[in-house]
Amino acid sequence: GENVEQHPSTLSVQEGDSAVIKCTYSDSASNYFPWYKQELGKRPQLIIDIRSNVGEKKDQRIAVTLNKTAKHFSLHITETQPEDSAVYFCAEGKAMNTGFQKLVFGTGTRLLVSP
Amino acid sequence: AAGVIQSPRHLIKEKRETATLKCYPIPRHDTVYWYQQGPGQDPQFLISFYEKMQSDKGSIPDRFSAQQFSDYHSELNMSSLELGDSALYFCASSLGRFLQNTGELFFGEGSRLTVL
Repeated sequence: GENVEQHPSTLSVQEGDSAVIKCTYSDSASNYFPWYKQELGKRPQLIIDIRSNVGEKKDQRIAVTLNKTAKHFSLHITETQPEDSAVYFCAEGKAMNTGFQKLVFGTGTRLLVSP
Repeated sequence: AAGVIQSPRHLIKEKRETATLKCYPIPRHDTVYWYQQGPGQDPQFLISFYEKMQSDKGSIPDRFSAQQFSDYHSELNMSSLELGDSALYFCASSLGRFLQNTGELFFGEGSRLTVL
């Protein structure tokens, strides 16, 4: 199927804690894995992405890891802040049989950071 | 910097009516995608265009059609609207067709369709 499994569906942490969200994909040919943050009623915004030629990428408090063998990728947010509260979507850059790519999204994780 | 422009931002229609959503991609972007996001759901891929040709079709109902025009803007036409069509419709654009090479998909602010 085209689903990307994403866990957990909700995550509540205290300010300053770390948060980890995990995704699993099925197409071994996929090679692009972005993460989007979406606030209520707003558009998804890219926060970090990783390509299959690297295993880890970091940008300040955000990091993403990719395990191509297991077809897992994870988002790590350290020192969480209340403004990190949002819904986070992982996505898989999936090749279509036309030769183009599209993004298939995970089911989303609602992150709540309490002060 | 210019972003993806969608119109209208909000639209209210009755069942069985038709609706048209418009999308203006970032200048020089040649690929346009349409996604539908129901309440509390993840965005679902509907259809995409590259250089004015349809590049793929996802879970788009037969009642919906779309096209990309010579100026690269795209329109999503929805007919015989049903209550279940109520959703946020996002348009996104990118430069080129290989996301791992060209980078991110840029999303518009979305068009919220409410069918009564």
